[in-house]
Amino acid sequence: GENVGLHLPTLSVQEGDNSIINCAYSNSASDYFIWYKQESGKGPQFIIDIRSNMDKRQGQRVTVLLNKTVKHLSLQIAATQPGDSAVYFCAETRRPLSGYSTLTFGKGTMLLVSP
Amino acid sequence: EPEVTQTPSHQVTQMGQEVILRCVPISNHLYFYWYRQILGQKVEFLVSFYNNEISEKSEIFDDQFSVERPDGSNFTLKIRSTKLEDSAMYFCASSENRSGNTIYFGEGSWLTVV
Repeated sequence: GENVGLHLPTLSVQEGDNSIINCAYSNSASDYFIWYKQESGKGPQFIIDIRSNMDKRQGQRVTVLLNKTVKHLSLQIAATQPGDSAVYFCAETRRPLSGYSTLTFGKGTMLLVSP
Repeated sequence: EPEVTQTPSHQVTQMGQEVILRCVPISNHLYFYWYRQILGQKVEFLVSFYNNEISEKSEIFDDQFSVERPDGSNFTLKIRSTKLEDSAMYFCASSENRSGNTIYFGEGSWLTVV
């Protein structure tokens, strides 16, 4: 299994900057890739998803890019605000033989936005 | 905005005791899940549930765990004979479909086993 620990990669930015959070995935057969935001003591909050046959998808202030060649996913947040400070997880859907998809989460990146 | 609600928000239990964590999924959702997150680690899948039966479960979800939908609104996770390593945040989630890309999580129940 993956080696996970207490120390998350951290991205520190200034308010108003653009942020880019990266994620590497392993399963080429995933149908969807999703970004979740998790604030301290709260559950993961859905931000945006992208289907595996797409390269880019835009939402409000966020853009997700998918590079299947190198199995890389990124989340771009425009004009980052202090309220964006949280841990960001990428997740991929896996559909086992049962047909019912499950989410597999990545390790997470902590985003710290200073005013 | 509809949300998944969980109770209790925090429970402390003695090793060996049974706990039941409760969840009310979003009302029009048909697929229900439990995930857990050990402190400082990533979120891990435990079990999915549809049409009153388990549809998928992970290796973590052994005989110590069970799920139930006792009525039309609640979805519960029972952990029997709790161990210290069961201490974690347990998240309930629900979705409209089984594609997995629109799963909404509750705020979590923090379980501490002492």
